[in-house]
Amino acid sequence: KNEVEQSPQNLTAQEGEFITINCSYSVGISALHWLQQHPGGGIVSLFMLSSGKKKHGRLIATINIQEKHSSLHITASHPRDSAVYICAGGYNTDKLIFGTGTRLQVFP
Amino acid sequence: GAGVSQSPSNKVTEKGKDVELRCDPISGHTALYWYRQRLGQGLEFLIYFQGNSAPDKSGLPSDRFSAERTGESVSTLTIQRTQQEDSAVYLCASSFQGVGTDTQYFGPGTRLTVL
Repeated sequence: KNEVEQSPQNLTAQEGEFITINCSYSVGISALHWLQQHPGGGIVSLFMLSSGKKKHGRLIATINIQEKHSSLHITASHPRDSAVYICAGGYNTDKLIFGTGTRLQVFP
Repeated sequence: GAGVSQSPSNKVTEKGKDVELRCDPISGHTALYWYRQRLGQGLEFLIYFQGNSAPDKSGLPSDRFSAERTGESVSTLTIQRTQQEDSAVYLCASSFQGVGTDTQYFGPGTRLTVL
């Protein structure tokens, strides 16, 4: 069983919809990372958070340490948001443990 | 400055041949990571370098895989006697300090195809 689980695996939405991607982890982490991977393969770090909430443009990430759960929200979704979104647990050691990703497609 | 760069961007090789993949991290980043992403699958950790410490090789799938890093700069991932299951995108990332709370910056990856 993967230590980091994401849901849903696939998500389709109409432009303008509010989107939520969920991530849960089974062991304590020092930080939760959200990454975005575009169809070309490039990976961009979106957020790193260890508590509370962070916002960047139309993206919002939240984390609940007690429940070992994080969510990534996209407001007013747009076709250019189509990508794979990956959450990863960062531990006090070195490596990230990755979820399997959520493939998002936003249609105009 | 420049981001993480990797070369080559694509590599096609025959089964049994050795390949070398290169990563240039962001200048000043002490930590460097190698990951693998097979088609349709998630990212897998391979190896991690942090400064002058011994590398964490716990993710390397077999002894055909090895990696080196020169100081805090370039790293080379070598796969010997390649097999078809080695076909994947190999991603390199670097971070400033290399702890779980540090943002990792990813390179564009090298797509390896073993025929």
